[in-house]
Amino acid sequence: DAGVTQSPTHLIKTRGQQVTLRCSPKSGHDTVSWYQQALGQGPQFIFQYYEEEERQRGNFPDRFSGHQFPNYSSELNVNALLLGDSALYLCASSSETSAPKQFFGPGTRLTVL
Amino acid sequence: DQQVKQNSPSLSVQEGRISILNCDYTNSMFDYFLWYKKYPAEGPTFLISISSIKDKNEDGRFTVFLNKSAKHLSLHIVPSQPGDSAVYFCAASHLTGNQFYFGTGTSLTVIP
Repeated sequence: DAGVTQSPTHLIKTRGQQVTLRCSPKSGHDTVSWYQQALGQGPQFIFQYYEEEERQRGNFPDRFSGHQFPNYSSELNVNALLLGDSALYLCASSSETSAPKQFFGPGTRLTVL
Repeated sequence: DQQVKQNSPSLSVQEGRISILNCDYTNSMFDYFLWYKKYPAEGPTFLISISSIKDKNEDGRFTVFLNKSAKHLSLHIVPSQPGDSAVYFCAASHLTGNQFYFGTGTSLTVIP
């Protein structure tokens, strides 16, 4: 049973560019959440997708957007990259029918130069 | 505003002894709490959880205690093993589970 997968593993971009990160949830899961983890900090909630809709959003600007596909996979898009966007981006999946436990992928390390 | 706090950035414990990791929260509306373990270059791995209707949950060597009046929870690891060396994150949410609030983590080192 494959767990949560994310691609790419690492990414280097320059300021002003746009980036797309991808996530496939654990088998049987229908909900995907995205988190940003800066160095030395805990993960910060960006948003959650369920039934292809953004269900809840954390305190992140509109430059951060996402999408969920019919197969439950998801993308995180960040426009107009800033140096401060450099972080580990984590995807977590969960199921609506089970306890609110989220399973995390290995993350994508984004470096903005 | 940090709603979940882990005030100890690091902890060192001898192998075989007890490790106690602490976590405080400010939002009394939280009703579900989790502990995650994270190794370098990996995503957080779920360890154990507790709902607000309980004050203790045990799973093998891991026990989580919840003190709602003090808005405090702790993770006990007994006995500690070198493989337990990792960063431990405390997280809290509402039962809907839409958004998790994480602490800043405690780096545990178990010395052989």
